[in-house]
Amino acid sequence: AQSVTQPDIHITVSEGASLELRCNYSYGATPYLFWYVQSPGQGLQLLLKYFSGDTLVQGIKGFEAEFKRSQSSFNLRKPSVHWSDAAEYFCAVSGNEKLTFGTGTRLTIIP
Amino acid sequence: DTGVSQDPRHKITKRGQNVTFRCDPISEHNRLYWYRQTLGQGPEFLTYFQNEAQLEKSRLLSDRFSAERPKGSFSTLEIQRTEQGDSAMYLCASSLTGQAQSPLHFGNGTRLTVT
Repeated sequence: AQSVTQPDIHITVSEGASLELRCNYSYGATPYLFWYVQSPGQGLQLLLKYFSGDTLVQGIKGFEAEFKRSQSSFNLRKPSVHWSDAAEYFCAVSGNEKLTFGTGTRLTIIP
Repeated sequence: DTGVSQDPRHKITKRGQNVTFRCDPISEHNRLYWYRQTLGQGPEFLTYFQNEAQLEKSRLLSDRFSAERPKGSFSTLEIQRTEQGDSAMYLCASSLTGQAQSPLHFGNGTRLTVT
């Protein structure tokens, strides 16, 4: 069965600092990997996705993620965060027709 | 592209009552998914449709839950005899084909509170 682990429940960073959110997945074959962001009371917005090819993928809002098969990881990064990045971030894996999400990481930005 | 629309945004009901939620997907999308999200958790898969056919149901979807997509367009999710444990955000999502080709587009959800 596919699964996703996001080890950090809550992260706080200063505005302008760099960010890395961790994601580890479990899936028997090559997975399709996603990062979504959710603002309070809202649905989920796709930040980026990995299907194949280049292991470093670029997304919207200046985010990027790197797929590392040897570590079963798909960490999300941003070089300089903005106050508007405060939200909940979900990593997800799909090998068939449905997404399996992690429990999320809540990002707080301090001035 | 008007996005995925869900109605209502909020629903408060008493335990034992029935509730129905509606989802209107992006018009050309043939896949429609229902997820449930509780506080502090990621969304959990409930069921999905391809056109009007319901192709998979999660074990989370008890007999009190039923979903339909009668004409392959909008979908409804009904919960009968609601319980307090049903309180959650119910998210609908749609995609053009399978997940691999077309990522899910989510609506803003329906927040259900059972008192």
